[in-house]
Amino acid sequence: GAVVSQHPSWVICKSGTSVKIECRSLDFQATTMFWYRQFPKQSLMLMATSNEGSKATYEQGVEKDKFLINHASLTLSTLTVTSAHPEDSSFYICSVFPPSTDTQYFGPGTRLTVL
Amino acid sequence: DAKTTQPNSMESNEEEPVHLPCNHSTISGTDYIHWYRQLPSQGPEYVIHGLTSNVNNRMASLAIAEDRKSSTLILHRATLRDAAVYYCILREYNQGGKLIFGQGTELSVKP
Repeated sequence: GAVVSQHPSWVICKSGTSVKIECRSLDFQATTMFWYRQFPKQSLMLMATSNEGSKATYEQGVEKDKFLINHASLTLSTLTVTSAHPEDSSFYICSVFPPSTDTQYFGPGTRLTVL
Repeated sequence: DAKTTQPNSMESNEEEPVHLPCNHSTISGTDYIHWYRQLPSQGPEYVIHGLTSNVNNRMASLAIAEDRKSSTLILHRATLRDAAVYYCILREYNQGGKLIFGQGTELSVKP
């Protein structure tokens, strides 16, 4: 099956700094990737749809200036959490939706802790 | 997106079958029923999906009610590694791939 990687797997940063999370599709080219956030004991919340070569589409209530998404190639999307605060501490997960399939493949997640 | 209702938690014994129910009374004719599961501290993984007919794969079976207002994910022999949160999700075919997760069912498996 498809393999999706994320880097880093975990990161600790100070309040006010920015953190970049990478999502790579290893097996195929992906024009669309998705970013989710998950707080402890809660379900996944879709943050945005990352589109290769164009602007991301953000879900209602997600600040696009705080969560910057760049999908510069067909195998890489990045999520940058700008000016991170402790309430941004969460598990961030990306996924890839291969063309001509009806299955989504998820990365292993990145755990962000903001001190 | 149509909504699904699942029990918050279920328990099973190892090597016994598990039936995980999902209600989706507002399902539309073009909604596919997807199941994903998430093991602790990992990203979700695909389990199975179907439209009208029952489906089988190496991981599980999906039984869909005739009126499509409910479905059941069947794990034929639960193992300790099947302990996870199972999500039942409706997705309209060819509508961009977005998945909206509900609360899911946390399955615990006892040895």
